[in-house]
Amino acid sequence: QQQVKQSPQSLIVQKGGISIINCAYENTAFDYFPWYQQFPGKGPALLIAIRPDVSEKKEGRFTISFNKSAKQFSLHIMDSQPGDSATYFCAASIGTSGSRLTFGEGTQLTVNP
Amino acid sequence: DAGVTQSPTHLIKTRGQHVTLRCSPISGHKSVSWYQQVLGQGPQFIFQYYEKEERGRGNFPDRFSARQFPNYSSELNVNALLLGDSALYLCASSLTITPQPQHFGDGTRLSIL
Repeated sequence: QQQVKQSPQSLIVQKGGISIINCAYENTAFDYFPWYQQFPGKGPALLIAIRPDVSEKKEGRFTISFNKSAKQFSLHIMDSQPGDSATYFCAASIGTSGSRLTFGEGTQLTVNP
Repeated sequence: DAGVTQSPTHLIKTRGQHVTLRCSPISGHKSVSWYQQVLGQGPQFIFQYYEKEERGRGNFPDRFSARQFPNYSSELNVNALLLGDSALYLCASSLTITPQPQHFGDGTRLSIL
């Protein structure tokens, strides 16, 4: 019940296209859902996060869509750029368990010029 | 302001040895969490400390231990190293313990020979 399942495992998008990464969870106690971007040799960097009382959150080219009834959330990267090529992780945490994050398996995004 | 800093950046050990990894959180952050990231996978939660007390522990053996100091820096100790302990060890800090943005360091790459 603590798992977060992420898909696809890898994604190739043309420059200017939309990148979409999906995550699903089982534990309805999760109440905080961040997305992280990780470049090789670096730690994960927080991109954007959402709480279940909101269905969508947008920051620049990055948008999280959240479907509470389906227990799914997704990251949309608009106007994808070669510099966006990285590994993306979704995560979730439960308020009563502190801020410990349960991560998805990751999506390796490649944006071709 | 400096981000989360971890030392050393790389470490090579042999089986059976022990290792100490260090983490300095962002100034003002009182919570530190440790994660293990095996190549090609998402980070796995090891420990969370807040105000020098352990507030969460992941599914790791007792060979793993940690502590937090009065200045909120933290150490992760691993005894009796196994080949399977080879991974990137990440430290994350946040203001408090409730679900909120966690900021990661670039990790310590531990290789066990």
